[in-house]
Amino acid sequence: DTGVSQDPRHKITKRGQNVTFRCDPISEHNRLYWYRQTLGQGPEFLTYFQNEAQLEKSRLLSDRFSAERPKGSFSTLEIQRTEQGDSAMYLCASSLVDTINTQYFGPGTRLTVL
Amino acid sequence: KQEVTQIPAALSVPEGENLVLNCSFTDSAIYNLQWFRQDPGKGLTSLLLIQSSQREQTSGRLNASLDKSSGRSTLYIAASQPGDSATYLCAVREAGRRALTFGSGTRLQVQP
Repeated sequence: DTGVSQDPRHKITKRGQNVTFRCDPISEHNRLYWYRQTLGQGPEFLTYFQNEAQLEKSRLLSDRFSAERPKGSFSTLEIQRTEQGDSAMYLCASSLVDTINTQYFGPGTRLTVL
Repeated sequence: KQEVTQIPAALSVPEGENLVLNCSFTDSAIYNLQWFRQDPGKGLTSLLLIQSSQREQTSGRLNASLDKSSGRSTLYIAASQPGDSATYLCAVREAGRRALTFGSGTRLQVQP
């Protein structure tokens, strides 16, 4: 499978716990994006990387959220001290560094905070 | 701030009908517009991408048009099938940015 993969697919946690999600982009894609989607809404942009550099962060990315892409390949998104409002689908996408910049999405990680 | 609106929010049609989904955006300074399909609980599948200099794109039974000056795009689905049932999302990429701004989607149900 050469698509974007995410792990885990589902995560249930208790309020106050830390969680970490992983995204593996399509192998030749240099750009990687994180989005969050709540029920009935479209995805909202969180952050994006070009190689290992984090080039843009949304104001939605509070100080409890941190994303890394240490070697320019896979990325992790960590949420500290989770709150019930963090319950959502977390989507990862990747793209080539080209003029069109079509983003290809993974299956997502569904987070439920109890 | 760019805002993307999709109308209708939900649509139910009998199999075989041709249908049109609408998308509007507030800032016409876009780089491109993309239509996605999302099945329940799944990720997004890209259907069509229209560059700002283009007027339309076609793929099989799907045709997407773009009128950048009026801030509108439509997705036309011909001869709808039950397998087309899904949520359809419109997203714009603004000039100078990499992030996509999405609408809330149109939930389509095609009845056999």
